[in-house]
Amino acid sequence: GAGVSQSPSNKVTEKGKDVELRCDPISGHTALYWYRQSLGQGLEFLIYFQGNSAPDKSGLPSDRFSAERTGGSVSTLTIQRTQQEDSAVYLCASSGGVNTIYFGEGSWLTVV
Amino acid sequence: AQSVAQPEDQVNVAEGNPLTVKCTYSVSGNPYLFWYVQYPNRGLQFLLKYITGDNLVKGSYGFEAEFNKSQTSFHLKKPSALVSDSALYFCAAENNAGNMLTFGGGTRLMVKP
Repeated sequence: GAGVSQSPSNKVTEKGKDVELRCDPISGHTALYWYRQSLGQGLEFLIYFQGNSAPDKSGLPSDRFSAERTGGSVSTLTIQRTQQEDSAVYLCASSGGVNTIYFGEGSWLTVV
Repeated sequence: AQSVAQPEDQVNVAEGNPLTVKCTYSVSGNPYLFWYVQYPNRGLQFLLKYITGDNLVKGSYGFEAEFNKSQTSFHLKKPSALVSDSALYFCAAENNAGNMLTFGGGTRLMVKP
């Protein structure tokens, strides 16, 4: 597609449930990032995929968080046993070979 | 390790006045520098970038930024602010070895009529 696509755009879930957030990057982009942003605050890096290299998972806040990228394209961020502090906007971004990264509109997660 | 600092949480400016949003960086090697803008309830939008060449970079919506290597700064500027420029602005940096992009904490720009 023309831009980075994220789904769902909004998700309300009960505490303790698992959620999956999907990111469809710009076609041909080898790099994919997940960030988290709480209430208009700064960006918290979560995970970075670059081509076929092992992902940089250094930003994942706990072992409840995981992400995968299948076939070098679509990525899924999974949060298990959600907690209220997981409520945030989860932003995905992708980048080709020209150093500019493009963001999706985000998935707004609310844990109640 | 790379880092980006935006020393001001918020910048207030009157419409029509010039604006500056500050950014300093710490990157080994030659830096690639970026500015992004985020409007309420939206994702981040790319504004401009410095890769190499002219230190003054012009971007979208009349914004520009000046790369200053000696001061390790990349301040965002606009000669005449608009109310519609009110948003959250993020500075970002990476080195030319292809390291991951690192963001500053963001600066909220408020332009008042």
